[in-house]
Amino acid sequence: DGGITQSPKYLFRKEGQNVTLSCEQNLNHDAMYWYRQDPGQGLRLIYYSQIVNDFQKGDIAEGYSVSREKKESFPLTVTSAQKNPTAFYLCASSKDRGKTGELFFGEGSRLTVL
Amino acid sequence: AQTVTQSQPEMSVQEAETVTLSCTYDTSESNYYLFWYKQPPSRQMILVIRQEAYKQQNATENRFSVNFQKAAKSFSLKISDSQLGDTAMYFCAFMKHNYGGSQGNLIFGKGTKLSVKP
Repeated sequence: DGGITQSPKYLFRKEGQNVTLSCEQNLNHDAMYWYRQDPGQGLRLIYYSQIVNDFQKGDIAEGYSVSREKKESFPLTVTSAQKNPTAFYLCASSKDRGKTGELFFGEGSRLTVL
Repeated sequence: AQTVTQSQPEMSVQEAETVTLSCTYDTSESNYYLFWYKQPPSRQMILVIRQEAYKQQNATENRFSVNFQKAAKSFSLKISDSQLGDTAMYFCAFMKHNYGGSQGNLIFGKGTKLSVKP
């Protein structure tokens, strides 16, 4: 079955450590996105990529980095520069570079900083 | 900048009844898209319904329909014959239309938690 796989589902990190969240899709979609979800805050866009080897900052990119070396993969690194990294992170993809606005989401990764 | 406001943090409805979730938005764009996304307790978010601003006809998908009032910048979701499986967070979202091809950058509201009670 086609879909988006995020791993790990739960992750704990000590302050000062970088951590990388994985996102893989087998939908052959061009565009991929990372959103952050906080309680009562909705979703906020961190980074997005429309094609391989290209990505753009979203609204809250500070303290995060991404890469897009393969069409199927869009990993997100939460760096120690991110001041409040504890959150739920959602990866999404869309076909046609997002023209329709229909996003397909993974099940998310919950990051907790101890 | 565009904003999306959902004024109802939580709602509940009895099974088989009808419920309406509110959403208002602010934009100076004339052409855009509006969406309702559903996030069930399993947390995988899915698209419920989509409306293109240039279309006057309200979108419908089975038991889900919208009331799109462009002048009032209002986009409410009506769920008819509510089912237990409708229990979820519902997010209203906005995307402006870029004539060179939209980028899929959605702006989400804060969500409404809907509980369907047996």
